[in-house]
Amino acid sequence: DTGVSQDPRHKITKRGQNVTFRCDPISEHNRLYWYRQTLGQGPEFLTYFQNEAQLEKSRLLSDRFSAERPKGSFSTLEIQRTEQGDSAMYLCASSLGGGRTGELFFGEGSRLTVL
Amino acid sequence: AQRVTQPEKLLSVFKGAPVELKCNYSYSGSPELFWYVQYSRQRLQLLLRHISRESIKGFTADLNKGETSFHLKKPFAQEEDSAMYYCASNYGGATNKLIFGTGTLLAVQP
Repeated sequence: DTGVSQDPRHKITKRGQNVTFRCDPISEHNRLYWYRQTLGQGPEFLTYFQNEAQLEKSRLLSDRFSAERPKGSFSTLEIQRTEQGDSAMYLCASSLGGGRTGELFFGEGSRLTVL
Repeated sequence: AQRVTQPEKLLSVFKGAPVELKCNYSYSGSPELFWYVQYSRQRLQLLLRHISRESIKGFTADLNKGETSFHLKKPFAQEEDSAMYYCASNYGGATNKLIFGTGTLLAVQP
């Protein structure tokens, strides 16, 4: 499968613990996005990378959240001191700059449950 | 603020019946609108874009700027159309930052 892959698919953690999610985009895609989806809602934009540069962060991304994309390949999303409100599906997507506008390729998501 | 509204959480129709999934948007500039679909146990994927004026799997969507709507339509629903449908607006231009609606679950009954 050459699509966007995310790891782990499921993570259960206790409140206050740190968690990290990894996303491997489609290899030739230079753009990478993180979204969060809670029950009954659509995906909400968190942050966006073009190559290794993080170009935008949503106000939803508190100081406890940090995302990186070293070398412009895979990306990690770390949540420090998790809270129950962080429980959600974290979706990664990638796209090719200059490709079809609005076409994001999504991974299957990483589901976080904070107890 | 940019917003995409999908008023129906669930739309249930019988096979062969027409389908219309509603989407309204608020946007101050020239909107770029999309429909994404998520079939059971599959990842979210692009269905169609308004600028392409295309028909995908029998679905079409027309941008109505006067009503600020982008409803998704299909004349004859099939059971395999059952899925979660999200309307989305691109407010980031070339950066592809999408705002999604809350989604409508389409259930096509046999």
